[in-house]
Amino acid sequence: EPEVTQTPSHQVTQMGQEVILHCVPISNHLYFYWYRQILGQKVEFLVSFYNNEISEKSEIFDDQFSVERPDGSNFTLKIRSTKLEDSAMYFCASEGGFYEQYFGPGTRLTVT
Amino acid sequence: KQEVTQIPAALSVPEGENLVLNCSFTDSAIYNLQWFRQDPGKGLTSLLLIQSSQREQTSGRLNASLDKSSGRSTLYIAASQPGDSATYLCAVRADTGRRALTFGSGTRLQVQP
Repeated sequence: EPEVTQTPSHQVTQMGQEVILHCVPISNHLYFYWYRQILGQKVEFLVSFYNNEISEKSEIFDDQFSVERPDGSNFTLKIRSTKLEDSAMYFCASEGGFYEQYFGPGTRLTVT
Repeated sequence: KQEVTQIPAALSVPEGENLVLNCSFTDSAIYNLQWFRQDPGKGLTSLLLIQSSQREQTSGRLNASLDKSSGRSTLYIAASQPGDSATYLCAVRADTGRRALTFGSGTRLQVQP
């Protein structure tokens, strides 16, 4: 069964460094998302992406964040200058147009 | 602003018991509601999707109902098994054209063998 994949599974970085999280959505899906879950808190929406542009973003998704679909298969989330409060599990999701979102296993980002 | 609440926060039951997990949302203008399962430190597995026009959806031992006007959904798990132990999350999508999901904080289920 097709699934969303994410790499790396765990990323440790120092405050102020740039990180890029990688996702491969399900093939032929059209909508792509990033969510995050800070330890012990709710899953929160960050951004949605469709037709090679951001279609929606939350208040969390400020200028420090960016997304890109550099080729036909990858979808990336970049955090330019990480802060301690960016430590969280980041989930990528994709949707094929039938309104059901499929999530990847997540990347645990630890900022020290 | 949509708020999603799940009760109870945690539940422990003996194997074989039928159980109900509750989800409520403050804004009834939803497009659909999705139930997920999350194992510790893992991703979210989609269990059931209910469109706003539907009253319930079934998958195996799982049955989800939706009462949109009262802002409630329930997830019924029949004949629970230890392998059902996980956190169950519900999430709603608004009917405004936005596609973002708003999540509840989940119910942590432990099924005792």
